[in-house]
Amino acid sequence: QKEVEQNSGPLSVPEGAIASLNCTYSDRGSQSFFWYRQYSGKSPELIMSIYSNGDKEDGRFTAQLNKASQYVSLLIRDSQPSDSATYLCAGYNFNKFYFGSGTKLNVKP
Amino acid sequence: GAVVSQHPSRVICKSGTSVKIECRSLDFQATTMFWYRQFPKQSLMLMATSNEGSKATYEQGVEKDKFLINHASLTLSTLTVTSAHPEDSSFYICSLRGRAGNTIYFGEGSWLTVV
Repeated sequence: QKEVEQNSGPLSVPEGAIASLNCTYSDRGSQSFFWYRQYSGKSPELIMSIYSNGDKEDGRFTAQLNKASQYVSLLIRDSQPSDSATYLCAGYNFNKFYFGSGTKLNVKP
Repeated sequence: GAVVSQHPSRVICKSGTSVKIECRSLDFQATTMFWYRQFPKQSLMLMATSNEGSKATYEQGVEKDKFLINHASLTLSTLTVTSAHPEDSSFYICSLRGRAGNTIYFGEGSWLTVV
């Protein structure tokens, strides 16, 4: 079983809509979680981190964490074509980072 | 946030030769750096954890004699792909932990093509 699981997609949303990306994890000891965005052929870049249950908002991005359900999500409001990329979810525990395989997001103009 | 510089961004080498990739921490001293490999349309695969002043810790299935890692200073880690073969062609990415220790930042990545 993979430590972090994501639907590979692609997830297609129209421009201006809310994109919802989801991630589940198996290790209950994971302490913190991260969302990275990776454009094709480029290195991942950190979008958000979340450590506590609940929501964390940063601009158009909202990360949600539910430790009881072992579930992390990322909402992107007012999606733009420039948001089209692969989004990687990662968990951190015992000095290791575990990455999901990523969800490809397509935002259509 | 931390700034990680990786060089070269692209390299083409002949089969059987060795290639060195450098990863530099520009913002602060990093005792630990990570090396990942990513094949097209696949996820990041952790290859090894590089610790300053000691031997790297390799993940299962990664040949330590083929992928030589040297973390000689607190700001520089290098990955040398020895006796490269076409199947080693991949995107290699280094990363390091941020100051707080629980966030990871990536270098720009290095595309290796072995012909």
